[in-house]
Amino acid sequence: SAVISQKPSRDICQRGTSLTIQCQVDSQVTMMFWYRQQPGQSLTLIATANQGSEATYESGFVIDKFPISRPNLTFSTLTVSNMSPEDSSIYLCSVLSGSTGELFFGEGSRLTVL
Amino acid sequence: GESVGLHLPTLSVQEGDNSIINCAYSNSASDYFIWYKQESGKGPQFIIDIRSNMDKRQGQRVTVLLNKTVKHLSLQIAATQPGDSAVYFCAETLYNFNKFYFGSGTKLNVKP
Repeated sequence: SAVISQKPSRDICQRGTSLTIQCQVDSQVTMMFWYRQQPGQSLTLIATANQGSEATYESGFVIDKFPISRPNLTFSTLTVSNMSPEDSSIYLCSVLSGSTGELFFGEGSRLTVL
Repeated sequence: GESVGLHLPTLSVQEGDNSIINCAYSNSASDYFIWYKQESGKGPQFIIDIRSNMDKRQGQRVTVLLNKTVKHLSLQIAATQPGDSAVYFCAETLYNFNKFYFGSGTKLNVKP
């Protein structure tokens, strides 16, 4: 299984600011994803982080609001831009195991926007 | 830590009883399914998976049943323990598509 580290684990942010979340994996993986989990709800896929090219966003999510970088096969960042209280959520990085097809998750980054 | 199950349906069971958690999935073309367990303050953890060419798969104390006719998954936990208390999600994907979509989740509360 992959070990996924996310930073920060939690943060409290002011409205209008931006925050970048980092995701580091202990092995090279082809597929990396970013999910959002709003309070008391399930996980919603934001985008697929593509190595060396622009991320592929799901319906309802746009690059200007959630820019994503994927410079190599072990690292990705998600930025939450111009935050509002509605962006208060847990943001989760996940990777797909190429050998088993299992999806592994980091511990998440819990953002509170005041 | 902050609970992820504030607004989710809750299943309460007595320790030692069997639990059954249900999930309706959305895409009839989905061919791979996973059940996840999420404890408070943690990321989801893989429990068990099943492919669409099967209707049942057993693990240690857990069984997943798949009914493709009605697009329904269930997770059965035998002899439920306090450590099983968590939120449980099902996820579906087209295996070659590599994107997973999650169901709404159920909070399992095990009473000692």
